[in-house]
Parts: sequence; structure tokens; C-alpha cells
Amino acid sequence: GENVEQHPSTLSVQEGDSAVIKCTYSDSASNYFPWYKQELGKRPQLIIDIRSNVGEKKDQRIAVTLNKTAKHFSLHITETQPEDSAVYFCSFSNSGNTPLVFGKGTRLSVIA
Amino acid sequence: GAVVSQHPSWVICKSGTSVKIECRSLDFQATTMFWYRQFPKQSLMLMATSNEGSKATYEQGVEKDKFLINHASLTLSTLTVTSAHPEDSSFYICSARTANSPLHFGNGTRLTVT
Repeated sequence: GENVEQHPSTLSVQEGDSAVIKCTYSDSASNYFPWYKQELGKRPQLIIDIRSNVGEKKDQRIAVTLNKTAKHFSLHITETQPEDSAVYFCSFSNSGNTPLVFGKGTRLSVIA
Repeated sequence: GAVVSQHPSWVICKSGTSVKIECRSLDFQATTMFWYRQFPKQSLMLMATSNEGSKATYEQGVEKDKFLINHASLTLSTLTVTSAHPEDSSFYICSARTANSPLHFGNGTRLTVT
């Protein structure tokens, strides 16, 4: 079935440094790649998404890159802050009303 | 933006009883809603896809007779955990999207079965 591998599972960075989380997916028909941030006990929140016709998208300190040939996509957080500490999930789906498949998550800790 | 409301936010029930969780799309019509389950420190696992006016589609390994899903209107889907057991204790999250839009999650329901 469809699956996505996410690395690393945990990541600790110093405040102000950058954090990168990488995902590899299996379904070549996938064309929608959102990233979610989940704080403890709360629902996942969409932080950024990218579609397959775009290679990179940036929103302030957050950026996502997509390599469709290699089936890789990555989340980049620059100038990290303690409030960035959370679990981040990559996900993907086809267009329309298909469900998202989630990676196993990355627990990011930003150390002040 | 699109809002998905889920109730209750938490529930404690005794083993053997049933629990119903409601998921509503407040400002849009959702022909399809998705139910996920998340165990502590794990990822979100899709349980089933809820289709308005038809039977839900369950993922492999999810018992359809245990997790009853009803999607009677374009804004409401319910998940009923029947004959709950302690191993059913988990965080249940519903979600909905319109075509080509981001997936919006409800606040989730933390179920504890004693």
C-alpha cells in the first residue's frame, strides 16, 4: 500500500539554527504534500503545503521542497524558536477526496 | 477558513459500553470525512473514510462492526465505538476536506476505557 518514510524521528537544535525533516513517498501519482505540526494533546495544524507542479514554496521561516523524480519532499525551518518545538508530520495524497497518508512524525526540540 | 467541530473532546467510559463521537463541518459541506486514530507518541492512522449517504470504507485491520460510522448529512459524521475495551483507548480525530483543499481536523476526542 501507499506509505511514506519520515526522518529523523527526533531532532534537537539550538535556538536560531535550522531544522530539516525529510520524507520519501511511494505513490508516484501523489500530487499534494502538506506538513502538519502537532503540539501535545492537540490536533494537527497545517503549516505549509505544496502541490506537484511546484518545486519549492516558502512562508516566512518555513519552506518545503519537492523532488518528484526522487519522490522526496522536505520541510525546512530557519531561525528556529522554542515555540517551534512540536511533532511534525509529513503527508501526501492524490487530488480530490482521497485521504492523507501520514509519516511517523518527527519530534523537534528547540533548545533555548 | 473551514472549521471542523468534534465532540466530545474527552470521554471516559467503562469496558463494554459504547461511545459516540460527532464530527461536524461548520462552514462547508463535506461529502467525505476521514476518521483517524492516534496512539500515544505515534502517527495518525486512517481508520475509515466516511461517505455521505453510503457505507464507510474501512482500512485493513479496522473492524467495521466495532467502529460504526454514520454519515447521514453533508455536515455530520459520527463514529461509535461499540463494546469498548481498554485497548480502544486512544485519540480519535476526524477530518474533512473539499476537493483540492487542505485537510481540516477536528479537535480530537481522547477516549479512555476503564
